[in-house]
Amino acid sequence: GEEVAQTPKHLVRGEGQKAKLYCAPIKGHSYVFWYQQVLKNEFKFLISFQNENVFDETGMPKERFSAKCLPNSPCSLEIQATKLEDSAVYFCASSQYPGTNYGYTFGSGTRLTVV
Amino acid sequence: QKEVEQDPGPLSVPEGAIVSLNCTYSNSAFQYFMWYRQYSRKGPELLMYTYSSGNKEDGRFTAQVDKSSKYISLFIRDSQPSDSATYLCAMSLGFDSNYQLIWGAGTKLIIKP
Repeated sequence: GEEVAQTPKHLVRGEGQKAKLYCAPIKGHSYVFWYQQVLKNEFKFLISFQNENVFDETGMPKERFSAKCLPNSPCSLEIQATKLEDSAVYFCASSQYPGTNYGYTFGSGTRLTVV
Repeated sequence: QKEVEQDPGPLSVPEGAIVSLNCTYSNSAFQYFMWYRQYSRKGPELLMYTYSSGNKEDGRFTAQVDKSSKYISLFIRDSQPSDSATYLCAMSLGFDSNYQLIWGAGTKLIIKP
């Protein structure tokens, strides 16, 4: 399809619980990016993949966050032992040519609320 | 100091007005400049893309990049209520930064009918 599909749309977790988010990129797009949007629209880069390989993980809080993009499966972002500050909207974007005017196509996001 | 500064607004203008949105940045190495539009509860949507300096026009939208001043602008002509959204600027070093985007805070735009 021509859209990036993110599931679930909303996720509520108690502090300390695990959260798992999914992203199906556009078919044919080899790059997948995860961004976290917190209050005041601040976007923070988390991790990117080129196909199933980690391309850049410099934004990941490694102690609790992990991500995968396996062949023939949606990509996933998992947060172990969630904290209140993890409450945010998590966006996935895919791209065929990220450095060009094709840019990125974003999904509608997963809103994670940690209570 | 943030790498990219953008006034969060809100900016409220009457329908039909020309809208000017701006971002300033500190890293002179940025090469790729983008404007995204984000409606409430939706993901950002790419509006304009500019490589290096110059102007780019697409319908009612014009993007300008002034690298000497480290300043980018988005102009919207004949603004419509449907243009009401948050506008985010984003920049990148491209391959040198693994295509990471550095974002402004977003400006909330309200077009009054």
